[in-house]
Amino acid sequence: EAQVTQNPRYLITVTGKKLTVTCSQNMNHEYMSWYRQDPGLGLRQIYYSMNVEVTDKGDVPEGYKVSRKEKRNFPLILESPSPNQTSLYFCASSFGSRGNRVKLFFGSGTQLSVL
Amino acid sequence: TQLLEQSPQFLSIQEGENLTVYCNSSSVFSSLQWYRQEPGEGPVLLVTVVTGGEVKKLKRLTFQFGDARKDSSLHITAAQPGDTGLYLCAGVGSRLTFGEGTQLTVNP
Repeated sequence: EAQVTQNPRYLITVTGKKLTVTCSQNMNHEYMSWYRQDPGLGLRQIYYSMNVEVTDKGDVPEGYKVSRKEKRNFPLILESPSPNQTSLYFCASSFGSRGNRVKLFFGSGTQLSVL
Repeated sequence: TQLLEQSPQFLSIQEGENLTVYCNSSSVFSSLQWYRQEPGEGPVLLVTVVTGGEVKKLKRLTFQFGDARKDSSLHITAAQPGDTGLYLCAGVGSRLTFGEGTQLTVNP
């Protein structure tokens, strides 16, 4: 089954404790992206990747890191989480990022709480 | 930054009623997408409209792309409780930009 898998689904942590949210897709998609979803603010892009070893900042990259060492995996790293990073996070993938190749497949989300 | 505004933000209706959700921008997009998100899940793509003035139908859902490719609407006929969810529009330009969403609740 074609899918985007995120782990964990729920995470409660404390300020400053490094964490990683994993994301994996089995559709051989070139494009992957991370979003955060907050009430009243919609989906905001954190980072995206056009292909292996190619990553770029989205609209709200501060406090986050990503890597794309393999095509299928795109982990999101919070080196020193802060309470304002409490949010619902989504990983998404697509064949491409432009025109008719854009069709985002989303994971089920990771609800992060930073105390 | 290309911005998309959706209206209304919240909509609560009775089963069987019709409704329209709007997605507006001052920017031109090459295409526009609509997603539906259910609680506890990620958004799922419903449709992509590409041509100005294009109308697409998906059962009881009708999607229209504005002539100038700056706006779109989603019309649901005879809404059902299963239509409940967050509806998101997304403009495809140099990047994909999401609107804030319309939370629809259809009461039995």
